[in-house]
Amino acid sequence: DTAVSQTPKYLVTQMGNDKSIKCEQNLGHDTMYWYKQDSKKFLKIMFSYNNKELIINETVPNRFSPKSPDKAHLNLHINSLELGDSAVYFCASSQGRGGPDEKLFFGSGTQLSVL
Amino acid sequence: RKEVEQDPGPFNVPEGATVAFNCTYSNSASQSFFWYRQDCRKEPKLLMSVYSSGNEDGRFTAQLNRASQYISLLIRDSKLSDSATYLCVVNRGWWAGTASKLTFGTGTRLQVTL
Repeated sequence: DTAVSQTPKYLVTQMGNDKSIKCEQNLGHDTMYWYKQDSKKFLKIMFSYNNKELIINETVPNRFSPKSPDKAHLNLHINSLELGDSAVYFCASSQGRGGPDEKLFFGSGTQLSVL
Repeated sequence: RKEVEQDPGPFNVPEGATVAFNCTYSNSASQSFFWYRQDCRKEPKLLMSVYSSGNEDGRFTAQLNRASQYISLLIRDSKLSDSATYLCVVNRGWWAGTASKLTFGTGTRLQVTL
């Protein structure tokens, strides 16, 4: 019954590899997000999609490419992984009305370690 | 200056104590505010919204001072289970009918002890 689920939970890989993280939500929300939490615990928005359309792109290197096949799924593909990409990546969703009361529901995170 | 600033702590308090966390934000146009809770190695979860008039949810009280751009969270009668990191969150804009851009503070860590 997980509301926002992402896989894998852990991802260990070598520099230069390409990897993907998948996210799915069963809340019926229209908007999904990717957030990155670095080693200093700073949680920063990367992307947001609403009904499969990109609406937020926060100056993220173009090695990161989100893909939303439908409004319940938002995947993140990362090319040519670098050491600095090591972090916890959280997927989140919200109803998608925008506005001051928009609340986010997060997945359990993917711990990415680049060696 | 960071958009949202919090004292990282840790705040170590005994069970039953009252503890308060503060947060300041830099964007005066920010429209809404929240406290999220994050347990170690877990995802953030919404604790409560923060309203201008102040609001309470059980042992938790949130206050907002727009003039000083300051948000607070008060926890009364602390429990061991309150041990977590508390994230101050500011909604700094939205796209009507689509999404909101939430900015998270780095959090204040609380450790409640016996």
